[in-house]
Amino acid sequence: EPEVTQTPSHQVTQMGQEVILRCVPISNHLYFYWYRQILGQKVEFLVSFYNNEISEKSEIFDDQFSVERPDGSNFTLKIRSTKLEDSAMYFCASSWVGNEKLFFGSGTQLSVL
Amino acid sequence: EDKVVQSPLSLVVHEGDTVTLNCSYEVTNFRSLLWYKQEKKAPTFLFMLTSSGIEKKSGRLSSILDKKELFSILNITATQTGDSAVYLCAVERKGGTASKLTFGTGTRLQVTL
Repeated sequence: EPEVTQTPSHQVTQMGQEVILRCVPISNHLYFYWYRQILGQKVEFLVSFYNNEISEKSEIFDDQFSVERPDGSNFTLKIRSTKLEDSAMYFCASSWVGNEKLFFGSGTQLSVL
Repeated sequence: EDKVVQSPLSLVVHEGDTVTLNCSYEVTNFRSLLWYKQEKKAPTFLFMLTSSGIEKKSGRLSSILDKKELFSILNITATQTGDSAVYLCAVERKGGTASKLTFGTGTRLQVTL
């Protein structure tokens, strides 16, 4: 069964450093998403991406965050200058069309020290 | 602000028991309600509900939506240890082209022998 893959599974970084989280969505999907889950809290929407542009973003997704689809298969989330409170599990997801069920990847656990 | 409340927060049952998980919501311009199972990392899709009163079933799992009372239930019959997981409820509102889900905190289910 096709799946969303994310790399790395764990990322440890120092505060202030830039990180790039990588995702390969399911190949024929058109909509891509990033969600995050801080330990013990709810899964939260960050951003959705369609047709090479952001379609919606949450208040969390400030100027420190950016997304990119650099080629036909990868979808990345960049955090320019990480803060302690960015520590969380980051999930990539994709869907064939909008307003359809999302398929989630296994997540990248980001720890900012 | 959209709101999803799940109950109970956690539940311990014996193998073979039947469980009912609850999800109530408040959302402007409701589109759909989704159930996911989160075992270790990636939430995996269970059901998507858009219409009231129509039960969706998959094996021992079933779910139904009540749009008048704004809640959904997820039933698991003859539980097995493999059903141990966090069950997430999420709602989606109309208006965007992409799926922006608002999640509840989840119900942690533990099935013991």
